[in-house]
Amino acid sequence: GAVVSQHPSWVICKSGTSVKIECRSLDFQATTMFWYRQFPKQSLMLMATSNEGSKATYEQGVEKDKFLINHASLTLSTLTVTSAHPEDSSFYICSAGRTFQNEQFFGPGTRLTVL
Amino acid sequence: AQSVTQLGSHVSVSEGALVLLRCNYSSSVPPYLFWYVQYPNQGLQLLLKYTSAATLVKGINGFEAEFKKSETSFHLTKPSAHMSDAAEYFCAVSDPNFGNEKLTFGTGTRLTIIP
Repeated sequence: GAVVSQHPSWVICKSGTSVKIECRSLDFQATTMFWYRQFPKQSLMLMATSNEGSKATYEQGVEKDKFLINHASLTLSTLTVTSAHPEDSSFYICSAGRTFQNEQFFGPGTRLTVL
Repeated sequence: AQSVTQLGSHVSVSEGALVLLRCNYSSSVPPYLFWYVQYPNQGLQLLLKYTSAATLVKGINGFEAEFKKSETSFHLTKPSAHMSDAAEYFCAVSDPNFGNEKLTFGTGTRLTIIP
């Protein structure tokens, strides 16, 4: 149980375009979903926290107008990278948790390459 | 604020030898602590977690970790390394002010197994 999927697993896009990444909890209802980005050989940096039906909370330094997060249901959250640029190229990982369950379940990640 | 320090960004051990990955934390309140493993181009997999129960925690794949409050440490060990243990390992601490869901990660330790 507690499986989280991400789609797509990798994407290549042109500079200036927008890319949407989906994160789904397949067998449980996630009250909270988290979005991280990871640069090569570095740790995970939390970008934002989203709760179903409410606006996401962004970490300091993360542009909310560039990284749009929607958490429309208890099983789906989306991250849209708007007007992507090469510096947005990274590995994006989502995770899902249930309130006071003391654990996050991670998706397999999405590799974004912006040309 | 909480933080995690992982000593040694790279650790190499011989196959069959003891694995010791170090993690020290800083927290103003009793934390929850986690160890995750990440294989190349994949998400994170939970190895084990400490949630204020037994101080010696056993996880998957033969790993265990001991919570030592006096040393603010949560080191990860495995008695005998296997080639399949080669991966990136992350220690993380949870924020008890956020329902114990929000994680802060260390910078990671890359474990290499020497045949």
